[in-house]
Amino acid sequence: GALVYQYPRRTICKSGTSMRMECQAVGFQATSVAWYRQSPQKTFELIALSTVNSAIKYEQNFTQEKFPISHPNLSFSSMTVLNAYLEDRGLYLCGARDREGTQYFGPGTRLLVL
Amino acid sequence: QQKVQQSPESLSVPEGGMASLNCTSSDRNFQYFWWYRQHSGEGPKALMSIFSDGDKKEGRFTAHLNKASLHVSLHIRDSQPSDSALYFCAASAPSGGSNAKLTFGKGTKLSVKS
Repeated sequence: GALVYQYPRRTICKSGTSMRMECQAVGFQATSVAWYRQSPQKTFELIALSTVNSAIKYEQNFTQEKFPISHPNLSFSSMTVLNAYLEDRGLYLCGARDREGTQYFGPGTRLLVL
Repeated sequence: QQKVQQSPESLSVPEGGMASLNCTSSDRNFQYFWWYRQHSGEGPKALMSIFSDGDKKEGRFTAHLNKASLHVSLHIRDSQPSDSALYFCAASAPSGGSNAKLTFGKGTKLSVKS
């Protein structure tokens, strides 16, 4: 079956520091990877959509300078939260899309900022 | 304006009962719909996709799509306590193919009481 792994599951960082999170799709070929942030109120914010060999498209309010993403192959993507502050807290979800268009999510990386 | 709206915000049904969740899009470009379920502490899990008018049944779950009114519903028959979770409706436009952006609703919290 289609599985998406994310690492780490939970991380705490000091305000102003950076942290990197990883995403791996297993059992299917991911045509694209999307990174989301889920707020404490459970709403989803799309950060960026990444397709291998194409430019990564960032949504409004999110920039490459703040959330650089690497997507070197079909199954792996990583994102860094640079210079994290309180407003960056949340559950960061990676969604990998299969050829039929269904997006499979990992369990998320929960970011706490002190 | 929220492009994908879900109702009700929360729903409580007795074990064995029928749960009905609704989703409406305000964007006529959205033609493809998914239902996701998220248990506490986990990432969203894809339940069903529906792309054509009418009903689609998978086990105890039935999705119904009416493209003319941009309305999609999810009905859960014989609800179980394990069905208690957040349910999200997601939609995308055909443009961009399988990599078109997914837009999520704010979710419906389902509680199944035993």
